[in-house]
Amino acid sequence: GQNIDQPTEMTATEGAIVQINCTYQTSGFNGLFWYQQHAGEAPTFLSYNVLDGLEEKGRFSSFLSRSKGYSYLLLKELQMKDSASYLCAVFPSGYSTLTFGKGTMLLVSP
Amino acid sequence: DVKVTQSSRYLVKRTGEKVFLECVQDMDHENMFWYRQDPGLGLRLIYFSYDVKMKEKGDIPEGYSVSREKKERFSLILESASTNQTSMYLCASRSGATYEQYFGPGTRLTVT
Repeated sequence: GQNIDQPTEMTATEGAIVQINCTYQTSGFNGLFWYQQHAGEAPTFLSYNVLDGLEEKGRFSSFLSRSKGYSYLLLKELQMKDSASYLCAVFPSGYSTLTFGKGTMLLVSP
Repeated sequence: DVKVTQSSRYLVKRTGEKVFLECVQDMDHENMFWYRQDPGLGLRLIYFSYDVKMKEKGDIPEGYSVSREKKERFSLILESASTNQTSMYLCASRSGATYEQYFGPGTRLTVT
């Protein structure tokens, strides 16, 4: 089966840096996604990693280690609007659908 | 920009009613999905479709059915709504050539 673990909640301060971890165990691997979801809204795409290493996109970066089944999302210069749930999702080989973690609720305080 | 739309943002239905949730995408995507999202349980796949008239059960299909008569439209049907189907329902679509899924705005369904 597929299993994805990420922390349930995290808190951080405006202007700080936060790292949200995700570990996964899946049958094969075709890539890992991070989505952001604000309360009451649909998830929106943040990043996609298929090879090992760091992908940087503005204030957000995502890292992948396939051998360790591990990824993290790094958010820099946190802003209040970054308060949201962050979903880690993996595309297993031979499957047609993403498998989602339960999400990490990030609360950014002033 | 890919656009996925859902027929309602909020819906209130009574137990036993038949409920239709509609989803339309405008990017000619082959794959479409229906999820429900509940606190503490995350996103759970109900059904998906990889082509017109084709459907596959997801992780929690019980109590639901789907219809895909046209490529752009994927409907979720609750034959006889029950209170445990109160949830946020999210539709998504994806091209057959990529892995990224695009989500609709969601329908918050309350069954009383």
